[in-house]
Amino acid sequence: GESVGLHLPTLSVQEGDNSIINCAYSNSASDYFIWYKQESGKGPQFIIDIRSNMDKRQGQRVTVLLNKTVKHLSLQIAATQPGDSAVYFCAENIRAGKSTFGDGTTLTVKP
Amino acid sequence: DTGVSQDPRHKITKRGQNVTFRCDPISEHNRLYWYRQTLGQGPEFLTYFQNEAQLEKSRLLSDRFSAERPKGSFSTLEIQRTEQGDSAMYLCASSRSRGQRTDTQYFGPGTRLTVL
Repeated sequence: GESVGLHLPTLSVQEGDNSIINCAYSNSASDYFIWYKQESGKGPQFIIDIRSNMDKRQGQRVTVLLNKTVKHLSLQIAATQPGDSAVYFCAENIRAGKSTFGDGTTLTVKP
Repeated sequence: DTGVSQDPRHKITKRGQNVTFRCDPISEHNRLYWYRQTLGQGPEFLTYFQNEAQLEKSRLLSDRFSAERPKGSFSTLEIQRTEQGDSAMYLCASSRSRGQRTDTQYFGPGTRLTVL
């Protein structure tokens, strides 16, 4: 069968390594997905998004992968830096409505 | 700074008191959302507006909660007879949505409510 990354509530990586954060979403009708970064005491900050007609999208140092078959989303951060330490949330949307957030992953980058 | 502002940033109140929070969205955004976030959890949807119309309310929004967006610009969220369980971060977000197309929601810094 196909291997799907597990969601981990915490992830610790060494500075300079690549990070992969996984998320399982719930609704097969969702057509828009977003990754947010949230630092302590602040609101969620947009990182990257992807629509359901795509399976990969790249930004600066970040890549989002979408697997609709198994309803899985991942965020890859290249050359992780201490400033990347935060809680990361995925969110799903259906037809321009509300966002439904997944369980967060706390990323800690060790210098 | 996303351009979405919320006021106040922190509110401490006693159980049974009423509180009101304000959100000013990004000016050209027609949609405005309210979410609640408790420690260690992701934001949970409460309600959203398109212009001045309230389009959806979560079952989390009990009858003690009311939200308005009277002129389609800023919004207020009022909680009446606050309870300790209302303690949370209240987040506002705005987006520019056209028809069935969803655009990114940009979040404000939140209002941290503590009910004693």
